[in-house]
Amino acid sequence: EIVLTQSPGTLSLSPGESATLSCRASQSVSSSRLAWYQQKPGQSPRLLIYGASSRATGIPDRFSGSGSGTDFTLTISGLEPEDFAVYYCQQYTDTPPLFTFGPGTKVDIK
Amino acid sequence: EVHLVESGGALVQPGGSLRLSCAASGFGFSDYWMHWVRQAPGKGPVWVSRIHSDGSFTSYADSVKGRFTVSRDNAKNTLFLQMNSLRAEDTAVYYCARDFPGFHNAFDFWGQGTVVTVSS
Repeated sequence: EIVLTQSPGTLSLSPGESATLSCRASQSVSSSRLAWYQQKPGQSPRLLIYGASSRATGIPDRFSGSGSGTDFTLTISGLEPEDFAVYYCQQYTDTPPLFTFGPGTKVDIK
Repeated sequence: EVHLVESGGALVQPGGSLRLSCAASGFGFSDYWMHWVRQAPGKGPVWVSRIHSDGSFTSYADSVKGRFTVSRDNAKNTLFLQMNSLRAEDTAVYYCARDFPGFHNAFDFWGQGTVVTVSS
């Protein structure tokens, strides 16, 4: 089973600053099978990025994803007040079918 | 607009059973694979189960295999999760989520969740 590790655990930043979130996999992950989600308190997760770098419908272009193999990054360029939340990476393997999530990175207001 | 509404969550004793439902609207439910994902308090999401669009194929996480059964009624646009032999570690918010079409490797819409608490 592929294990995802996210760092840092918490990122304290001010609005307008940029955030760089890391997701590292214990084995190589196909880029097409790496996604990122945002979750705010009391809400369900929202898909931000799929295929490591493609933005989901309606996601602002300040969110970008990159990476390959075992190292992936979510970048938020110019934090807006509504971006302070927890971010999860997620990967998929198909033999057997298994979706795994990382432990999350919390982006909070400095 | 895509809408997923879960129901059926409750407080149940260890060893008990519960059936969750997810009412879908705003999209062609019968065309989409669907999932159940759960999230324990303060933890990240954990995938539970998947069902193909016509209900012909199902998959489960090892932690629930043999205890949980996913099914669907496409005529009623409803997804179900039958949970038996419940354990304390099954306590979580349970979300139904739509499979990301064409890719089948992510979840593009989520419901608001229903709370399952397993405790004596």
